[in-house]
Amino acid sequence: DGGITQSPKYLFRKEGQNVTLSCEQNLNHDAMYWYRQDPGQGLRLIYYSQIVNDFQKGDIAEGYSVSREKKESFPLTVTSAQKNPTAFYLCASSTGAGGTGELFFGEGSRLTVL
Amino acid sequence: AQKVTQAQTEISVVEKEDVTLDCVYETRDTTYYLFWYKQPPSGELVFLIRRNSFDEQNEISGRYSWNFQKSTSSFNFTITASQVVDSAVYFCALSRTSGNTPLVFGKGTRLSVIA
Repeated sequence: DGGITQSPKYLFRKEGQNVTLSCEQNLNHDAMYWYRQDPGQGLRLIYYSQIVNDFQKGDIAEGYSVSREKKESFPLTVTSAQKNPTAFYLCASSTGAGGTGELFFGEGSRLTVL
Repeated sequence: AQKVTQAQTEISVVEKEDVTLDCVYETRDTTYYLFWYKQPPSGELVFLIRRNSFDEQNEISGRYSWNFQKSTSSFNFTITASQVVDSAVYFCALSRTSGNTPLVFGKGTRLSVIA
């Protein structure tokens, strides 16, 4: 079935460690996004990519990095520079230019920093 | 800048009651899309509806209905005869009609339906 796969679903990290969250889609979508969700904060955009080998910062990009080497993959690295990384991370994708704007989401990755 | 406000943080209703979730948006664009998503306890956001700003007709889908009023910049969501399975966090979102622009989300409304 077509969809978005995020892994791992749960992740624990010690302070000072980098961690990479995986996001893979087989929907043939051009655009991919990473959102962070905290209680009472809604969804905040970290990074997004409209095409392979290109990406833009969102509202809260500090302490995060991404790459888009393949159309189907958009991994997110949470670096040690991110001061409060404990959160629920959601990856999404959407169709190309002229699309309807609808986002398709993965099931999320919950990161806890110990 | 675009902004979405969901003033209701949490709502609790008894099963079979009707409930309306409010959404107010701000945008300088003349054309835009509005969305509602549902986030059940599993975490994945589920698409419910997309509305183009040109289309102000209200929409009904089963127990769900949406009231889009451009004059008040609102896109409210009503669940009729609520059920326990409706318990979730509901997000309203806004985007430009040009492709691939990120959605701007409200902070969400947590709905609890009590049996």
